Amino acid sequence: QVQLVQSGTEVKKPGALVKVSCKASGYSFSDYGITWVRQAPGQGLEWMGWVSVYSGNTHYASRFQGRVVMTTDTSTSTAYMELGSLTSDDTAVYYCARGLSAEPFNSWGQGTLVIVSS
Amino acid sequence: SYELTQPPSVSVSPGQTASITCSGDELGDKHASWYQQKPGQSPVLVLYLNEKRPSGIPERFSGSKSGNTVTLTISGTQTMDEADYFCQSWDSSTVIFGGGTKLTVL
Repeated sequence: QVQLVQSGTEVKKPGALVKVSCKASGYSFSDYGITWVRQAPGQGLEWMGWVSVYSGNTHYASRFQGRVVMTTDTSTSTAYMELGSLTSDDTAVYYCARGLSAEPFNSWGQGTLVIVSS
Repeated sequence: SYELTQPPSVSVSPGQTASITCSGDELGDKHASWYQQKPGQSPVLVLYLNEKRPSGIPERFSGSKSGNTVTLTISGTQTMDEADYFCQSWDSSTVIFGGGTKLTVL
């Protein structure tokens, strides 16, 4: 079965960078893209961007342009999301999901809590 | 891009029908998906292509579209259906989520 397993909770100071991983199994990693979505406490889902595993192409939400980088490692079937210049507003659960913009996200990771606090 | 608008909350009695709408200026030529999210859990896809159910999703979940509005309908709502529901579509490679609707079953 398709599984996306994410890395554990991160606690970072303002201004720092966080890197979250998402390890895929149960399907051909290169056949699908990976989308990243975050959810601040008590808030809705916010799309951050996606990465095409096949081509390496990325597309980021405008509000994250310049401080987010999404990559993949096909040798380990793992996707990564790096977010820099963290502020307290970046405190959220970060999810990876299988698929790109026009595809339904039928598999999600368990979420990674990122806490930004001085 | 455009926005997707959902009602913040919907209440329904057990066994009754719940309907959650999602409106967006450009939904007319796009398809939408719906996700269910229970507290502390990851979202789960319950409908895609406006009306299709993934395997494992109960038949009481159905979807429809009219103009720029898509609707998620839960027939014979059960207490286990109490959750947040998010619609989702896209525009020019950008993913768009609705603000979410809290479904209360009481």
